[in-house]
Amino acid sequence: QKEVEQDPGPLSVPEGAIVSLNCTYSNSAFQYFMWYRQYSRKGPELLMYTYSSGNKEDGRFTAQVDKSSKYISLFIRDSQPSDSATYLCASRRGSNYQLIWGAGTKLIIKP
Amino acid sequence: EADIYQTPRYLVIGTGKKITLECSQTMGHDKMYWYQQDPGMELHLIHYSYGVNSTEKGDLSSESTVSRIRTEHFPLTLESARPSHTSQYLCASIGLAGYNEQFFGPGTRLTVL
Repeated sequence: QKEVEQDPGPLSVPEGAIVSLNCTYSNSAFQYFMWYRQYSRKGPELLMYTYSSGNKEDGRFTAQVDKSSKYISLFIRDSQPSDSATYLCASRRGSNYQLIWGAGTKLIIKP
Repeated sequence: EADIYQTPRYLVIGTGKKITLECSQTMGHDKMYWYQQDPGMELHLIHYSYGVNSTEKGDLSSESTVSRIRTEHFPLTLESARPSHTSQYLCASIGLAGYNEQFFGPGTRLTVL
């Protein structure tokens, strides 16, 4: 079983819609949860991260972690065509520098 | 903006050739990583380094080798390329400011014929 599971998509939504991207994880020791965005032919870049359970908001983006269900979510409000990219979730244990990655979900925002 | 560079960006070579993928960063980061990324698959860690003269193999078995003689430079070498090595190779680094933010280079897309 993969430690971080993510639906590869693609997920196609109209411009302006609210997008929900999700991951599940299996390792209870994970404490940090990240969302990276990767545009075509580029390396991933960090969008935001959360520590333990709870929500974190940054502009149109909200990250949510539910440790009881081992569920990680990213919400994008007022989605724009420029949000079209692959979104990767990642997790790590507190004492470890290595990230465990999901497979990424390809998101397409249609104008 | 993070400064981490990879060359070449694209490489097409024949089986059996020796190749070196270059990765350099100008941020003075101690920790550097090499990942392999295939379409629809998660990033797989193949090598990492926590400082000069320190290298370790990652979770994914790889026939490549790495070296870390200088902080800013972390090249990856394949002694004899095979078609199974065809993939995207991503280099990343992290600094002391936060272990959750890995800075990635643009990647090298390798095709072995």
